[in-house]
Amino acid sequence: EVQLVESGGGLVQPGGSLRLSCATSGFTFINYNMNWVRQAPGKGLEWLSYISTISTTIYYADSVKGRFTISRDNAKDSLYLQMNSLRDEDTAVYFCARVRGPLVVVNDYWGQGTLVTVSS
Amino acid sequence: EIVMTQSPATLSVSPGERATLSCRASLSVRSNLAWYQQKAGQAPRLLIYGASTRATGIPARFSGSGSGTQFTLIISSLQSEDFAVYYCQQYNKWPLTFGGGTKVEIK
Repeated sequence: EVQLVESGGGLVQPGGSLRLSCATSGFTFINYNMNWVRQAPGKGLEWLSYISTISTTIYYADSVKGRFTISRDNAKDSLYLQMNSLRDEDTAVYFCARVRGPLVVVNDYWGQGTLVTVSS
Repeated sequence: EIVMTQSPATLSVSPGERATLSCRASLSVRSNLAWYQQKAGQAPRLLIYGASTRATGIPARFSGSGSGTQFTLIISSLQSEDFAVYYCQQYNKWPLTFGGGTKVEIK
């Protein structure tokens, strides 16, 4: 069974940092590209970042470029999101998601999400 | 970036009835369009990709159509478990973008 489990969310002050993790199981992690997607309270979905299988291709949304860094450890079947210079508007549930295929950049499996609250 | 616009924002439908959801792209995305379902407190679930291909395990009552800039998701006969929010997403061009969602509620 494919599983993705996010962790690392919590309350952080504006300007602070947080590192999210996504532990995966049930599939061969190194074979799949991955995404981070977030959802602000009561709002829609916002794609944040993409990383290819061996980290050669990385993309960011403009809203997080220069502040967030995506990475992965294929030996640990894990995905990460380092978030710096956090702002109030970064408050959201953060999801990691598996990308279905190299040319089909849709998210076929999702974690349950981890809540990040940015507030003083 | 490509802006995805969904309509209507809310759709009130009786169980057993048909629901038609629309998604429009600001530029052509060819057939690189997906639909997701999200229930309250849950992660989204992939329903459709390639505009019309059902994902694994998705019932046949869900069907997608369209190409270019206009897309439609039809739920042929609404079941109680189908009341949720539906999002479209284009993957033709970076950044990936989602529509604002359509909430399908019980009439």
